[in-house]
Amino acid sequence: DAGITQSPRHKVTETGTPVTLRCHQTENHRYMYWYRQDPGHGLRLIHYSYGVKDTDKGEVSDGYSVSRSKTEDFLLTLESATSSQTSVYFCAISGTSGEQFFGPGTRLTVL
Amino acid sequence: EDQVTQSPEALRLQEGESSSLNCSYTVSGLRGLFWYRQDPGKGPEFLFTLYSAGEEKEKERLKATLTKKESFLHITAPKPEDSATYLCAVQAAMDSNYQLIWGAGTKLIIKP
Repeated sequence: DAGITQSPRHKVTETGTPVTLRCHQTENHRYMYWYRQDPGHGLRLIHYSYGVKDTDKGEVSDGYSVSRSKTEDFLLTLESATSSQTSVYFCAISGTSGEQFFGPGTRLTVL
Repeated sequence: EDQVTQSPEALRLQEGESSSLNCSYTVSGLRGLFWYRQDPGKGPEFLFTLYSAGEEKEKERLKATLTKKESFLHITAPKPEDSATYLCAVQAAMDSNYQLIWGAGTKLIIKP
C-alpha cells in the first residue's frame, strides 16, 4: 500500500470555524491532490499540487485553500466551514506513471 | 469536453454469475484509463491502467479491456467479496499535472 495517511479521520465542527485537514505521504511523489466525495457527485477535485509551494485550483475550489511547504505534507484548509462542506475528503498522490493512490479519507461534518 | 460515463449505476449478480461493467469516455488524446475499486468507508484502490486500444489486464476474477471509445471490466464467476463500487477514470495526454477525469462509478453487489 502507498504510504499515505490523513488526519484527522473524523471531525465534527460548527459553521464558521476554520478546519485544517492534513495529508502525509512517505513515497516522495511530486503530485498531490485533494478530492471530496459526495453521493450523486462522485470524486471532485478541490486543489492539487505539483511541487513544494506549487498549487493550483480544481473544479470545486471555492471556500478551500491549500499549502505545501514540504514534499510529504499537503494541507487543506476550510477558512470558515459551511454545511455544504460536509463531505468525505480524500488525498491522493501520483508519480509520473499517472496512477493516483488514495489515502483512507477524512469524514467531515459541519453542523 | 472530456468526460467519463459508467454504466450501469448498480448491478446485482448472483455468486458465480459473470458480467461486465462499462466505461465510455471522450478525451482529447488518451494518456491512460484507470480502474479502481472502492469499498464503503475506504479510499479508492487502484486496480489497472490501460494505455492503448486492444490492451487487456487481468487480476484474479477481473479483466479490463480497452477500445478507442470505451473500456469494459469483466468479472468472471464473482464472489461476495467482489462487492464494491468500481470507478473508472481517464487522463488526457495534454494534462501535465496528471489529473484524472472520473466517472460516477458502478455499485456491484454479489449475492451468495
